[in-house]
Amino acid sequence: SQQGEEDPQALSIQEGENATMNCSYKTSINNLQWYRQNSGRGLVHLILIRSNEREKHSGRLRVTLDTSKKSSSLLITASRAADTASYFCATDGKVSRLTFGEGTQLTVNP
Amino acid sequence: GAGVSQSPRYKVAKRGQDVALRCDPISGHVSLFWYQQALGQGPEFLTYFQNEAQLDKSGLPSDRFFAERPEGSVSTLKIQRTQQEDSAVYLCASSLASPRTGRVHEQYFGPGTRLTVT
Repeated sequence: SQQGEEDPQALSIQEGENATMNCSYKTSINNLQWYRQNSGRGLVHLILIRSNEREKHSGRLRVTLDTSKKSSSLLITASRAADTASYFCATDGKVSRLTFGEGTQLTVNP
Repeated sequence: GAGVSQSPRYKVAKRGQDVALRCDPISGHVSLFWYQQALGQGPEFLTYFQNEAQLDKSGLPSDRFFAERPEGSVSTLKIQRTQQEDSAVYLCASSLASPRTGRVHEQYFGPGTRLTVT
């Protein structure tokens, strides 16, 4: 069963706008990661945030983590058509395996 | 360097057939994972290897599913007597991580094998 939930399930924006996706999870974690998946392809790792971190940046990506609310958000700034993909959060706890949410389908219209 | 590769990329099987899916991890990666991704869903964990040892197979949905990694490198996921509900994308991932070191490394995913059972 899925650990967490992403919202929204689907998001459609115009190129240049910012996109924010949220993720909630249920159990305690060591780390939370965000992945991107283009249609028909494997998952690409975007960013990892540890449970003792609150915010992390990587290029146009900004991730926040609130362990008290068991939630995280991924912000993509100045979106591009190439950002169109599904985005998943994934958590790992006592074991190394990842538990994924159901994903947000982002469409960036040119 | 080469990433994780999987073969075949697509597999169509008739209900009741056995299938074998192959994963070639990144050279030197200790950990190897298999995930199942149904259409429109996130991946779900199946099983985990550290070198040749299968340390966790709690995600395998039935005893029809079997995975091995005999030499600690290439892994094969076998599904016996396939059923329609087995239709999914099967993803393999590898990582440098070892639970003993306590250090977390990202998992690198292959492109997946799309299995369709008719």
